[in-house]
Amino acid sequence: GAVVSQHPSRVICKSGTSVKIECRSLDFQATTMFWYRQFPKQSLMLMATSNEGSKATYEQGVEKDKFLINHASLTLSTLTVTSAHPEDSSFYICSAQKGQGNTDTQYFGPGTRLTVL
Amino acid sequence: AQSVTQLGSHVSVSEGALVLLRCNYSSSVPPYLFWYVQYPNQGLQLLLKYTSAATLVKGINGFEAEFKKSETSFHLTKPSAPMSDAAEYFCAVSYNTDKLIFGTGTRLQVFP
Repeated sequence: GAVVSQHPSRVICKSGTSVKIECRSLDFQATTMFWYRQFPKQSLMLMATSNEGSKATYEQGVEKDKFLINHASLTLSTLTVTSAHPEDSSFYICSAQKGQGNTDTQYFGPGTRLTVL
Repeated sequence: AQSVTQLGSHVSVSEGALVLLRCNYSSSVPPYLFWYVQYPNQGLQLLLKYTSAATLVKGINGFEAEFKKSETSFHLTKPSAPMSDAAEYFCAVSYNTDKLIFGTGTRLQVFP
């Protein structure tokens, strides 16, 4: 199978601090990784797409300086929420794709619930 | 704009009954279509996908979906639902990019 992990699964932080979320593909190399945000009882909204070794492509309305994405290797991407505020509280989900074709399956991580106090 | 619509935010069925979850897409170009399931506090798991091969797609756990171009639909069905199928189901589309566009989801409840 294709397994994607996220760490941590839950994090609570104070307003103004930064939080880093890791996304790892455990048994395959991921050319492309995606970061989504999901509000309670809502759908997933794509935040950004990252390819290994290059800058992430952010969706419209997503602040790249606030949501820093690093895709340093073919098995690891990180999302850092900088200067977090309560409105950043959400469920963050990553996915990983082996190739770059739109028929390639995205394998999703279990998500990280961020609560900003 | 390209989008996907899931009719019915909640669907309730009795255990063992037929499940039908609706999904319609809006595009003149046939997309690639996906159904994902999400259990509470978990990520998404792919149930099945349509990539312009057979129009009737069989997925995991007994689910299947049929691509109907004339109706721009990709409804998800299962003949008999156990209690364990209770979850949130998302339909998604992609076109000429890697990006997935998700529907708003349908929560399936299965009653004993």
